[in-house]
Amino acid sequence: AQKITQTQPGMFVQEKEAVTLDCTYDTSDQSYGLFWYKQPSSGEMIFLIYQGSYDEQNATEGRYSLNFQKARKSANLVISASQLGDSAMYFCAMRRGGSNYKLTFGKGTLLTVNP
Amino acid sequence: DSGVTQTPKHLITATGQRVTLRCSPRSGDLSVYWYQQSLDQGLQFLIQYYNGEERAKGNILERFSAQQFPDLHSELNLSSLELGDSALYFCASSVDVGLYNEQFFGPGTRLTVL
Repeated sequence: AQKITQTQPGMFVQEKEAVTLDCTYDTSDQSYGLFWYKQPSSGEMIFLIYQGSYDEQNATEGRYSLNFQKARKSANLVISASQLGDSAMYFCAMRRGGSNYKLTFGKGTLLTVNP
Repeated sequence: DSGVTQTPKHLITATGQRVTLRCSPRSGDLSVYWYQQSLDQGLQFLIQYYNGEERAKGNILERFSAQQFPDLHSELNLSSLELGDSALYFCASSVDVGLYNEQFFGPGTRLTVL
């Protein structure tokens, strides 16, 4: 069975600093995808970034980058130059290959950006 | 705006009642997913449809059912509601069932069962 672990229930960061949100996963699959979503207090789920298990380069999307360490089964999200609007819940999720395309989510990390 | 629409945004009802949540996927997306987000269970996958057919089932109760219509919109039916069914219900869509296609989420329907 797949499992996503986010060990940081809450994180604080100063505005303009970088922050790393941890995510480890457990799967026996060779083919899978890893995703990060942001959920502001308004409730919507916003897709941020994804990494495929066969991708050799770490994914980047603007201020977001994914530090993918396959051997360690970790997929940490790095947010550079934090902004006040980054304050939100962040969820790591995994999707396996094959016929079941559901996302399995971690419990999330609540990020607070301080001015 | 993800392009996925969900109605209603909020729903308040009583135990034992039945409700229907509606989702319209992004234009061109054939796959629809339903998720439930609650404080104790977190975000959980309920069910997936692809082009009108059920493709995968997750932790969906027997009291719950869903379908996807020919115009690709989907409905999630929740019956014999219990207090524990209070949650945020998300619909998500993707262009197909490929591994590397991200799912775009709708704004959610917040269900409160009193």
